[in-house]
Amino acid sequence: KAGVTQTPRYLIKTRGQQVTLSCSPISGHRSVSWYQQTPGQGLQFLFEYFSETQRNKGNFPGRFSGRQFSNSRSEMNVSTLELGDSALYLCASGLGRNTEAFFGQGTRLTVV
Amino acid sequence: TQLLEQSPQFLSIQEGENLTVYCNSSSVFSSLQWYRQEPGEGPVLLVTVVTGGEVKKLKRLTFQFGDARKDSSLHITAAQTGDTGLYLCAGSNQGGSEKLVFGKGTKLTVNP
Repeated sequence: KAGVTQTPRYLIKTRGQQVTLSCSPISGHRSVSWYQQTPGQGLQFLFEYFSETQRNKGNFPGRFSGRQFSNSRSEMNVSTLELGDSALYLCASGLGRNTEAFFGQGTRLTVV
Repeated sequence: TQLLEQSPQFLSIQEGENLTVYCNSSSVFSSLQWYRQEPGEGPVLLVTVVTGGEVKKLKRLTFQFGDARKDSSLHITAAQTGDTGLYLCAGSNQGGSEKLVFGKGTKLTVNP
């Protein structure tokens, strides 16, 4: 059974640009969550989708957005990138409510 | 806001030593999970505990969920260099929210 796949693995962007990250969950998983991980703040929850609906959202500005497609694949978008957006972005999939999360390898975003 | 406090933040030990890391909260969780993360990779689920007082063993790792379901501990016996990594605890709340609440982690280094 294939794991959670995130693309790309590494990304370098310039301030002010926008970026789209992709996540393919484990087959059969309908829940996809996104997290931002930085050395200082740890893992911070961005948002969670289930069956194409956003069910939870963390405390991030509106520049951070996401969506989920009918095949459960998810994308997150960050517009008007800032230096502070440099982080490891992790996607996790699960079966649903309060279940275990299975993480992808992450996308390392560097904003210069 | 539910918070999970992990201690110690950093731990450096010699191979063969025993260690315990802690995960504490003032909130009750319906379940608690432990993950290990290696540099540049996503967290990997080690165990889920759901019952107050529950103890689970995974080879040299012993996980315990507090009776009140507010805290947990991870004990490693005879640590090996392969145990090096960031250990994260994550709690699922009882309010029905999907998101997992993560602690900031304990960075363990096992020296040969």
